[in-house]
Amino acid sequence: GQQVMQIPQYQHVQEGEDFTTYCNSSTTLSNIQWYKQRPGGHPVFLIQLVKSGEVKKQKRLTFQFGEAKKNSSLHITATQTTDVGTYFCAGNEAGANNLFFGTGTRLTVIP
Amino acid sequence: DAGVIQSPRHEVTEMGQEVTLRCKPISGHNSLFWYRQTMMRGLELLIYFNNNVPIDDSGMPEDRFSAKMPNASFSTLKIQPSEPRDSAVYFCASSYGGLWTEAFFGQGTRLTVV
Repeated sequence: GQQVMQIPQYQHVQEGEDFTTYCNSSTTLSNIQWYKQRPGGHPVFLIQLVKSGEVKKQKRLTFQFGEAKKNSSLHITATQTTDVGTYFCAGNEAGANNLFFGTGTRLTVIP
Repeated sequence: DAGVIQSPRHEVTEMGQEVTLRCKPISGHNSLFWYRQTMMRGLELLIYFNNNVPIDDSGMPEDRFSAKMPNASFSTLKIQPSEPRDSAVYFCASSYGGLWTEAFFGQGTRLTVV
């Protein structure tokens, strides 16, 4: 079955350092979405990537979809304490009506 | 808009009891999703409705789980009978346009089955 893995599982950074989380799928994905969940909160949609090799930016966040559409990454430049939370990717195979979430990367930012 | 509204926020029940979780999607959204989140299994999509019709329920763990959407503004997720392993946070989310549009999540219902 389809699996979506994320690494690392946890990341502690000093405020101002960069952060990257990687999402890898066992199968080719049709699309990929990224979510952020603050501690005790609910997932919040960040972005969706559709095209092979696509790169999108949101202020300090850069999202990338791999050429083979089997992996994706989220990079945060100069982290801030407001970036604390768990970042999830979610994807599915073409034509499938399900959505598989990655295992998540929990980011801690040390002031 | 108030966003996706779930009730109750917390539920503690005894094993074997029936549990009903409720969700009111954002007005105008035509897709509704039920998710379950646990430490062990992460975030899982249980069932997905489009225009009140269940599109995919392959994530529903077993027959003890059922979901309904009688109209565009209300959905329920029922567990009968409940078991301790059902303890989790259950999220409802809605979107306009299906799985591949921005989904808005509710605050979740934290279910504890003792």
